[in-house]
Amino acid sequence: QVLLQESGPGLVKPSETLSLTCTVSGYSIRRGYYWGWIRQPPGKGLEWIGSIYHSGSTYYNPSLKSRVTISVDTSKNQFSLKVTSVTAADTAEYYCARDFSGCLDYWGQGTLVTVSS
Amino acid sequence: QSVLTQPPSASGTPGQRVTISCSGSSSNIGSNTVNWYQQLPGAAPKLLIYSNSQRPSGVPDRCSGSKSGTSASLAISGLQSEDEADFYCAAWDDILNGYVFGTGTKVTVL
Repeated sequence: QVLLQESGPGLVKPSETLSLTCTVSGYSIRRGYYWGWIRQPPGKGLEWIGSIYHSGSTYYNPSLKSRVTISVDTSKNQFSLKVTSVTAADTAEYYCARDFSGCLDYWGQGTLVTVSS
Repeated sequence: QSVLTQPPSASGTPGQRVTISCSGSSSNIGSNTVNWYQQLPGAAPKLLIYSNSQRPSGVPDRCSGSKSGTSASLAISGLQSEDEADFYCAAWDDILNGYVFGTGTKVTVL
């Protein structure tokens, strides 16, 4: 059973950096697959943020690319998300998921991040 | 940034069949496979259909997907109360060079 769990601060101040980590259990990131981040503003639809391979190769949503960095730590079986210069528009439920060629087959339960002073 | 268009809502009575459409373009649905996700209230999305019409293990055969040209559709037959959820289509877009989700459809069981 592949399980993913997001963790990180639930409140971030405007202009600061949002940082989240996804811990994977039941599957070694080193074995393969991409691993991705998706977000959902309250009451709105899903938005793909980006994905990373265990080697560190990444691809990002072009609309967020300038502010987003995704990294991987295979020794901890984790991957992380950083979003810089956040505004209220970045307030959302953030999900991590296993990305099998664009098919997101396992998801974390999500974590709400609110951007507010 | 949703480039895949879905109807905002769909509904049916228990036992009926509901169909949800997903309209895209040649750069996404027209040239890549479509996946469908179900999001129950207060829960994370769950993969429902992949590669246009394939069901992951555990998804009932009441759910089926199809694709034709630049559109795709999801059908749920034998509608049940537990099918009340939001449904999203998704596909890779070759022009945006990214993964795009549909606008989402809320299914209500009357």
